[in-house]
Amino acid sequence: DGGITQSPKYLFRKEGQNVTLSCEQNLNHDAMYWYRQDPGQGLRLIYYSQIVNDFQKGDIAEGYSVSREKKESFPLTVTSAQKNPTAFYLCASSVSGRTQFFGPGTRLTVL
Amino acid sequence: GQQVMQIPQYQHVQEGEDFTTYCNSSTTLSNIQWYKQRPGGHPVFLIQLVKSGEVKKQKRLTFQFGEAKKNSSLHITATQTTDVGTYFCAGLSGGSNYKLTFGKGTLLTVNP
Repeated sequence: DGGITQSPKYLFRKEGQNVTLSCEQNLNHDAMYWYRQDPGQGLRLIYYSQIVNDFQKGDIAEGYSVSREKKESFPLTVTSAQKNPTAFYLCASSVSGRTQFFGPGTRLTVL
Repeated sequence: GQQVMQIPQYQHVQEGEDFTTYCNSSTTLSNIQWYKQRPGGHPVFLIQLVKSGEVKKQKRLTFQFGEAKKNSSLHITATQTTDVGTYFCAGLSGGSNYKLTFGKGTLLTVNP
């Protein structure tokens, strides 16, 4: 069954801790993306990767880091430098600029 | 940078009424995509428009791409409670084959 998985669905962390969100796809898509969604803000692009071992900053990359060591995986680390990390995080993948397929999302709450 | 404005931010309708959401880009787009996000869910692709002046229909949904390829609309005829959700437009500009710019979305609620 092809698709994108994100884990965990809900994540709680204490302020000042780094946290890594998982994103895996078995669609054989070359591109992967991380978005942040806040109420009334739509989707804001954090990072994206067009190919393995390469990635670009999106519009709100500060306080986040990513890696793309495998085509299937694009983990996102929310660092302690991110001032307001509580949000809904969505991972997506696509073939070039075509349809983006989204994972179910991870809701991160920093206490 | 590229901006995509979407209006209205919210729309509440009675079941059976029509609904329209509009998108406007600050730059010419190579294509525009529409997504729907149900409450508590994730965005799901609806359609992609590529050609100037293009109109596509999916049952009660009609999508249009402007002649200048800078604006788009989604019209739903005779809304149903299953139409509830947030509708996003997302534009791809000629400078990138990968980076979509999303509008802030229109939240549609339907009163049965």
